Amino acid sequence: QSALTQPASVSGSPGQSITISCTGTSSDVGGYNYVSWYQQHPGKAPKLMIYDVSNRPSGVSNRFSGSKSGNTASLTISGLQAEDEADYYCSSYTSSSSWVFGGGTKLTVL
Amino acid sequence: EVQLVESGGGLVQPGGSLRLSCAASGFTFSSYEMNWVRQAPGKGLEWVSYISSSGSTIYYADSVKGRFTISRDNAKNSLYLQMNSLRAEDTAVYYCARVVVVVAPNMDVWGKGTTVTVSS
Repeated sequence: QSALTQPASVSGSPGQSITISCTGTSSDVGGYNYVSWYQQHPGKAPKLMIYDVSNRPSGVSNRFSGSKSGNTASLTISGLQAEDEADYYCSSYTSSSSWVFGGGTKLTVL
Repeated sequence: EVQLVESGGGLVQPGGSLRLSCAASGFTFSSYEMNWVRQAPGKGLEWVSYISSSGSTIYYADSVKGRFTISRDNAKNSLYLQMNSLRAEDTAVYYCARVVVVVAPNMDVWGKGTTVTVSS
């Protein structure tokens, strides 16, 4: 199972919106609404930010939103804040009962 | 407080073995499926293995199949990963993660990780 494709880095200024893409195949991202997104600060464990494409766990800011079109999922962060600077990983449960992650995107808040 | 705490990491020579543990607290461990996920230094996340709540269903990533064994002891609220025939490329931080299913299975609680270094 190949890793999902994410941009290596994105950046934005405080208050702006950014979008991180995550491209897979019909066996993962495109085939099911099984996409999740994780935030990871340096030296910390990943934190679930979005599940089942577009749902936010309790406690996650509504500035985070997710969507999907075809084989590409997207994470949008609006009203960018300094604390959002982190690595972001997409993940998909696959048709072979496994999980695949994207390579990660480093978000820099300018 | 819902918590997962990994232990058992360390330095091991290539070809050696190590057993990781993950202690769960703050929730009914026996009701949840669990995963191991690893992260090599400076790299991304990689799913390693899955175990169902009863332990009856198990899956492995191709990269560890035949070398790693996942297990759990619900009476002890503990998850394990037995790692044999270790290779340099197994060097990583290993996280245990709770799996929760709404529509899809998602990893909603993660431990802080334990570091495994395979080197001579």
